[in-house]
Amino acid sequence: SAVISQKPSRDICQRGTSLTIQCQVDSQVTMMFWYRQQPGQSLTLIATANQGSEATYESGFVIDKFPISRPNLTFSTLTVSNMSPEDSSIYLCSAWENYGYTFGSGTRLTVV
Amino acid sequence: DQQVKQNSPSLSVQEGRISILNCDYTNSMFDYFLWYKKYPAEGPTFLISISSIKDKNEDGRFTVFLNKSAKHLSLHIVPSQPGDSAVYFCAVYNTDKLIFGTGTRLQVFP
Repeated sequence: SAVISQKPSRDICQRGTSLTIQCQVDSQVTMMFWYRQQPGQSLTLIATANQGSEATYESGFVIDKFPISRPNLTFSTLTVSNMSPEDSSIYLCSAWENYGYTFGSGTRLTVV
Repeated sequence: DQQVKQNSPSLSVQEGRISILNCDYTNSMFDYFLWYKKYPAEGPTFLISISSIKDKNEDGRFTVFLNKSAKHLSLHIVPSQPGDSAVYFCAVYNTDKLIFGTGTRLQVFP
């Protein structure tokens, strides 16, 4: 299966700033996804990122807050914009291939 | 509204015994179910899956049971090992997306 490198693994950020999370896949994948896991909660899908088109956002998530790039079939970024303490979560990227979904190791974000 | 529910946030089992993790879902149209295991500071890793055309799927120490009429699935781990201590998520595959439950933290003690 694909291997996903996600960085940073963790960060502490000031409120009002933005953080960009990167995911690099070691093979070309059609679909990539971004998830958020708030403390004690399930993994919630933020958006689907397809190469060559705009990301598709789930209900409750908007592009202005979570802009996503997908410049090629092996790379994607998620930006958490204008952060507030409520954005403190683990953010995970995922890739889908014929044999299933693979996840990055996650970015633990703390907003102070 | 939570479409996939894991009502037990934690489970503690003695090594060698059976671990049973449960999951309920709300939509009878869901037809493909997965279990993932997650260690701290790592992403979820795929464990086992089951299609709605089956009621059981087995892979080594792991067996998943599906009860479609009850909209319930369970993961059995036997025998449980200390290395199985992790958070387990059930998930449903729905229109190219995975919908996850809230997870159950399993602790296997000696």
